[in-house]
Amino acid sequence: GAGVSQSPSNKVTEKGKDVELRCDPISGHTALYWYRQSLGQGLEFLIYFQGNSAPDKSGLPSDRFSAERTGGSVSTLTIQRTQQEDSAVYLCASSFKGAGNQPQHFGDGTRLSIL
Amino acid sequence: GENVEQHPSTLSVQEGDSAVIKCTYSDSASNYFPWYKQELGKRPQLIIDIRSNVGEKKDQRIAVTLNKTAKHFSLHITETQPEDSAVYFCAARTGGNKLVFGAGTILRVKS
Repeated sequence: GAGVSQSPSNKVTEKGKDVELRCDPISGHTALYWYRQSLGQGLEFLIYFQGNSAPDKSGLPSDRFSAERTGGSVSTLTIQRTQQEDSAVYLCASSFKGAGNQPQHFGDGTRLSIL
Repeated sequence: GENVEQHPSTLSVQEGDSAVIKCTYSDSASNYFPWYKQELGKRPQLIIDIRSNVGEKKDQRIAVTLNKTAKHFSLHITETQPEDSAVYFCAARTGGNKLVFGAGTILRVKS
């Protein structure tokens, strides 16, 4: 596609429910990143994929958070047993290669609200 | 790990004036420094980046300078316009592939 696509754009759910957030990177981009942005804050790194493997998961805040990537393309970020502090905008970015200084291009994000 | 500090947190300038945003980083191994502009409710957009083998880079009204010795880099916007109003984020990348972001600067350009 022309850019990084994320869905849904907005998600409202009740505390304790599981949610899945989807990211479709730019075609041909092998590296994919998930970030979290709380209201008025900077971007917090969550996880990085190179192809289907995740060499860096250091930013996942707890074991309720997991992510996978299949076919070297679409990635899904899953949050289990959601808590109110999980409310944030979840941003996905992709780049041409993980190695080297390739620019990361962001999607519009998923705004997650936990009631 | 890497830590990036960004100043100021808010900046108001008169249209036509210059704006400067500064960032410092902690990891001397960091080698790539992008700047993103984020308008309200929109995605961060890359506006300029600099690699560690370069001291300065310009693109029209925007320039970035890098001082590796002091471990700081700055964004300079000249002849500011109302459409420059946004949140600006600096970031640094170390030997891994993740970007560590500053907390952001809210830039307001008053007309």
